[in-house]
Amino acid sequence: DAGVIQSPRHEVTEMGQEVTLRCKPISGHNSLFWYRQTMMRGLELLIYFNNNVPIDDSGMPEDRFSAKMPNASFSTLKIQPSEPRDSAVYFCASSYESRRRYFGPGTRLTVT
Amino acid sequence: AQSVSQHNHHVILSEAASLELGCNYSYGGTVNLFWYVQYPGQHLQLLLKYFSGDPLVKGIKGFEAEFIKSKFSFNLRKPSVQWSDTAEYFCAVILYNNNDMRFGAGTRLTVKP
Repeated sequence: DAGVIQSPRHEVTEMGQEVTLRCKPISGHNSLFWYRQTMMRGLELLIYFNNNVPIDDSGMPEDRFSAKMPNASFSTLKIQPSEPRDSAVYFCASSYESRRRYFGPGTRLTVT
Repeated sequence: AQSVSQHNHHVILSEAASLELGCNYSYGGTVNLFWYVQYPGQHLQLLLKYFSGDPLVKGIKGFEAEFIKSKFSFNLRKPSVQWSDTAEYFCAVILYNNNDMRFGAGTRLTVKP
């Protein structure tokens, strides 16, 4: 099993640019989660999907952030426009009918 | 507000020292509890979890944690740390029958050789 796949692993962009982070969950999993990790706040849940439907997006910081899950094997997290304070590591995780979440390797985003 | 608290941001120990990392939560209902570890440059890995039964949980790599319901705590322990335990440790909580997992801010452990 390849595990949860995230791309890119590292992203450096300038303030104001659009950033798209991608996630491929483990095949067969029906829940997908996006997290953001920073030194100040630790690990925060941004949004999660169940059966491709967004269930709770209360953790999304503001309207510049959006997430989609067009099918069971792919999800994106988009930031438009990006700001320096968005710099963080973004994790995607997936699970199936249980509480154990399998985390991807993360995408390290730097906005200059 | 409901939260998960890890009181130590950074802990520095020498090899063979004993470790205890604190974790407290403020949820009032039944909870499931987890400790995750993130080694430098790697993604999160599950160390151990508590769902029910014996409140003293044994995990991988010699780690254990004790659930004390009256104190709303789930502290992580290891009798003798190794240099390879240098990592960041996250405590996490899920409310029973709730799909929302909440993490603490993490504790960075540095073990000096």
